[in-house]
Amino acid sequence: DQQVKQNSPSLSVQEGRISILNCDYTNSMFDYFLWYKKYPAEGPTFLISISSIKDKNEDGRFTVFLNKSAKHLSLHIVPSQPGDSAVYFCAVPDQGGNTPLVFGKGTRLSVIA
Amino acid sequence: EAQVTQNPRYLITVTGKKLTVTCSQNMNHEYMSWYRQDPGLGLRQIYYSMNVEVTDKGDVPEGYKVSRKEKRNFPLILESPSPNQTSLYFCASSLTSGQGDPYEQYFGPGTRLTVT
Repeated sequence: DQQVKQNSPSLSVQEGRISILNCDYTNSMFDYFLWYKKYPAEGPTFLISISSIKDKNEDGRFTVFLNKSAKHLSLHIVPSQPGDSAVYFCAVPDQGGNTPLVFGKGTRLSVIA
Repeated sequence: EAQVTQNPRYLITVTGKKLTVTCSQNMNHEYMSWYRQDPGLGLRQIYYSMNVEVTDKGDVPEGYKVSRKEKRNFPLILESPSPNQTSLYFCASSLTSGQGDPYEQYFGPGTRLTVT
């Protein structure tokens, strides 16, 4: 069974609007969550993370929200820009701390100018 | 420049012909890993290494081998490739302390492998 689920394979948003990407997880013991961004023909790059002791982490246009009771996290991008068009993966350390990451299947974001 | 390099970037081969994809990092990272990316399946870990001479299986290790003789290199070996190993492969590295919040993983540019 998937431990990390991104149920929307794609999302299309107008430039300047908010993009919201969602991720659900099954294991309440997960203590850290990461978002990666991937452009075509490149490797994924780290975007933003959040520890389970927080419910929000912000970095410029990117904010990640964590709802532990719902086992849900979301990535907000505002305002969205065409350069944000990429595939976004959420990931969690399989067994906490510095252990291998388990990735969701990804959501392809298209920001339309 | 801090980076993870992979070679080759593209490879077309035939079933059964042994191949090696090299991975090297210049950041003195202890942790290295290999992933494959397939449509609709996201990134799945093949093997990982917490340090030199220490390797472990990931989620999809069948048909692959790895070695970690030096800290900077982590080659992926396909002894007898099959068409179901046609995929996009990524190597990644990070620091690791074994405790606390995980460090960011740095990914290589990817190797697109086609096995006919």
